[in-house]
Amino acid sequence: GENVEQHPSTLSVQEGDSAVIKCTYSDSASNYFPWYKQELGKRPQLIIDIRSNVGEKKDQRIAVTLNKTAKHFSLHITETQPEDSAVYFCAAGNSGGYQKVTFGIGTKLQVIP
Amino acid sequence: SQTIHQWPATLVQPVGSPLSLECTVEGTSNPNLYWYRQAAGRGLQLLFYSVGIGQISSEVPQNLSASRPQDRQFILSSKKLLLSDSGFYLCAWKNRDRGYGYTFGSGTRLTVV
Repeated sequence: GENVEQHPSTLSVQEGDSAVIKCTYSDSASNYFPWYKQELGKRPQLIIDIRSNVGEKKDQRIAVTLNKTAKHFSLHITETQPEDSAVYFCAAGNSGGYQKVTFGIGTKLQVIP
Repeated sequence: SQTIHQWPATLVQPVGSPLSLECTVEGTSNPNLYWYRQAAGRGLQLLFYSVGIGQISSEVPQNLSASRPQDRQFILSSKKLLLSDSGFYLCAWKNRDRGYGYTFGSGTRLTVV
């Protein structure tokens, strides 16, 4: 099955700086890579996703990159704000009708005002 | 619009007692349904997923079971809880016809004492 490794496990940045979270996956058949944000005590929420036919996707201050050859993908948050503080999960899997994804262990991001 | 309901929000149960957590989805039909568990400070572990009524796939052998008696209802059960069953249980759904990510329910925080 799929195995997703995520690092770092914790990340502290100053407000306004950039944050980068990296993930690797093992199954070359995976073609869907979502990222979720989980605030303390709340449910994870999808913030951005990318499919294997795209190398990069951007949504305002958030961007994801995918390197299929190396089997790794990254989340980039620019101009971080205190409300970006949360746990971020990467995941990898298939995007078809019977979608099933495997999550990374999560990165706790702290943005220091 | 689609909504997912999960209850109860919190639950404290003694070791050896039974468990029943319920999840329902509104506003869609024939969804994929998932049960995840998140232990304290840990990632999201897929427990069960279902692509239709009565169709359950188990990812992790344990003392939990799942059932899907109706199209939009997913139930997580146990006959005898263990201390290690404590955690945050999340139900999620996905529209099978669209390549979008999961939408999670609000979760049930289970403490086994």
